[in-house]
Amino acid sequence: KNQVEQSPQSLIILEGKNCTLQCNYTVSPFSNLRWYKQDTGRGPVSLTIMTFSENTKSNGRYTATLDADTKQSSLHITASQLSDSASYICVVSDRGSTLGRLYFGRGTQLTVWP
Amino acid sequence: EADIYQTPRYLVIGTGKKITLECSQTMGHDKMYWYQQDPGMELHLIHYSYGVNSTEKGDLSSESTVSRIRTEHFPLTLESARPSHTSQYLCASSEKVSSRTSEYNEQFFGPGTRLTVL
Repeated sequence: KNQVEQSPQSLIILEGKNCTLQCNYTVSPFSNLRWYKQDTGRGPVSLTIMTFSENTKSNGRYTATLDADTKQSSLHITASQLSDSASYICVVSDRGSTLGRLYFGRGTQLTVWP
Repeated sequence: EADIYQTPRYLVIGTGKKITLECSQTMGHDKMYWYQQDPGMELHLIHYSYGVNSTEKGDLSSESTVSRIRTEHFPLTLESARPSHTSQYLCASSEKVSSRTSEYNEQFFGPGTRLTVL
């Protein structure tokens, strides 16, 4: 069964600290892995997309890694800011259809305190 | 910011009412999607469209219906709302992105409609 599991479910950190969010998946055949940021009451916004040939990608203070062998990914946030408070969703796409089926994790709810 | 819009943003309605959630995009994307999301849960695909006059049901069974008469417009309708329909509804559209090593559909999401059925 194709699944995406994220940990931790929620995380509280102090402003300025770093944190790392985890994602494990069983989706096959694998096409790409995406990290989205979803603010409360808003739609998800793409942070990074990595294909099987990429093992790291950065977007400002966000750095995603991918290990396609172990089917794991992480999202590292450096020098957190209050505006980083949001849900971070790991999404994996398969290569099994024209649509490029997306499998969503439940997200990690990050809260940054001043 | 993606040019994809949803109205209304919030809707509180009584049981049995007919409602239509609007979704429009100005990017000319052929593929559009509707997702349902409950708090703390993953997004579930309920409808998608490959283009005008094309609509398909997604993975999660839904009593809603959709139509695609124009490329930019993908409304979702509930003929008779029930409390079990209370949820957040997210619309998305996608475009194909190609690089030297890969090809994928980049999805852009609207802000969502928070529906509450009393």
